[in-house]
Amino acid sequence: ETGVTQTPRHLVMGMTNKKSLKCEQHLGHNAMYWYKQSAKKPLELMFVYSLEERVENNSVPSRFSPECPNSSHLFLHLHTLQPEDSALYLCASSQDGGRGNEQFFGPGTRLTVL
Amino acid sequence: AQKVTQAQTEISVVEKEDVTLDCVYETRDTTYYLFWYKQPPSGELVFLIRRNSFDEQNEISGRYSWNFQKSTSSFNFTITASQVVDSAVYFCALSEAEAAGNKLTFGGGTRVLVKP
Repeated sequence: ETGVTQTPRHLVMGMTNKKSLKCEQHLGHNAMYWYKQSAKKPLELMFVYSLEERVENNSVPSRFSPECPNSSHLFLHLHTLQPEDSALYLCASSQDGGRGNEQFFGPGTRLTVL
Repeated sequence: AQKVTQAQTEISVVEKEDVTLDCVYETRDTTYYLFWYKQPPSGELVFLIRRNSFDEQNEISGRYSWNFQKSTSSFNFTITASQVVDSAVYFCALSEAEAAGNKLTFGGGTRVLVKP
């Protein structure tokens, strides 16, 4: 595998379900990100991890819970979501979390909440 | 607060035509970085270019060129002799030097449709 991978690519869940999105980067980077892309809003940053520590939580509801066990893996745990949470969730990575370093994105998980 | 505006939501051209995508940004920082990303139908954002605020030289990469004008806070992107494979959504983004964690602020994107 190369670059940034995300699983699953598609997910349908009910509002009472619990699921997790997985992201893995094979680029040797040490910063990882979760973004949300919905039809009604521009790409929104949700969380940033640098050196496995969360450095940004962009006012995201607690029903989204990130986890970064090491610099190569990032999870987004989902529980009691709402239909408006349906969106494309994109993971990205970069070197250092440093200012201006380009981020490399995965293909995304298309989430539908029923 | 930083802001990125892409006024064009959709542009439709015929193959071989040139197309220019506008990007206007707002920031209080003197040091910042600008990016362009391409999002084809597959969904993955593909990095195209990064520019820092101190480098106003225009850049050309194959059929792509970028015009950075600090005086007008613009970072426009031109595709020359467009091809069907250029059909995608293009995003302009800004990262401020003082922002924690390399936070990217994206514009709303411009959908480019290149017809054969």
